[in-house]
Amino acid sequence: QKEVEQNSGPLSVPEGAIASLNCTYSDRGSQSFFWYRQYSGKSPELIMFIYSNGDKEDGRFTAQLNKASQYVSLLIRDSQPSDSATYLCAVNSNSGYALNFGKGTSLLVTP
Amino acid sequence: GAVVSQHPSRVICKSGTSVKIECRSLDFQATTMFWYRQFPKQSLMLMATSNEGSKATYEQGVEKDKFLINHASLTLSTLTVTSAHPEDSSFYICSARLTRNQETQYFGPGTRLLVL
Repeated sequence: QKEVEQNSGPLSVPEGAIASLNCTYSDRGSQSFFWYRQYSGKSPELIMFIYSNGDKEDGRFTAQLNKASQYVSLLIRDSQPSDSATYLCAVNSNSGYALNFGKGTSLLVTP
Repeated sequence: GAVVSQHPSRVICKSGTSVKIECRSLDFQATTMFWYRQFPKQSLMLMATSNEGSKATYEQGVEKDKFLINHASLTLSTLTVTSAHPEDSSFYICSARLTRNQETQYFGPGTRLLVL
């Protein structure tokens, strides 16, 4: 069973702070890693993806990947109340195109 | 780019009827689309992988005769829930695989199904 694990939260951070979301995965052969955001009642929307070890920055978002530790994270700088949502980590392995999703971490940014 | 649409966005039907949901990639061709189901406050559950021109691959526990999938073109996949029952009420979401962007999947807005 290929597992993608996330802390369900809720993770509560004050407005303007950095939110740190973490994800671990069990399949060492995993190649591609994605972060999606899902607002209540809506479908997931892609935030960013990462394939190589290290950091990848896109605006206020930074994805961090450590394949040796099988760990991927998402940092959100200057968190805003509009960032309050469930963040889904997804992992794609070599065995096909389907993504394995974690159960998501609920983030609450308080004004 | 990479826009995926779904139709209808919401449907209410009587128990025993069939419901068809369409998923379209609007600005790219998708050889592979995916169908997910999500119950309230639960995670996404992959139902099946839809491949253009071939039979869909269903996940374990998903009845292929109940959830009919057709992927007749590179921009359209349909999911038909046959003989729907109240327990089929859920949020159905499709995604399309964008091959030029490293296997990234883009999601449609979802279809909320309520079976009375």
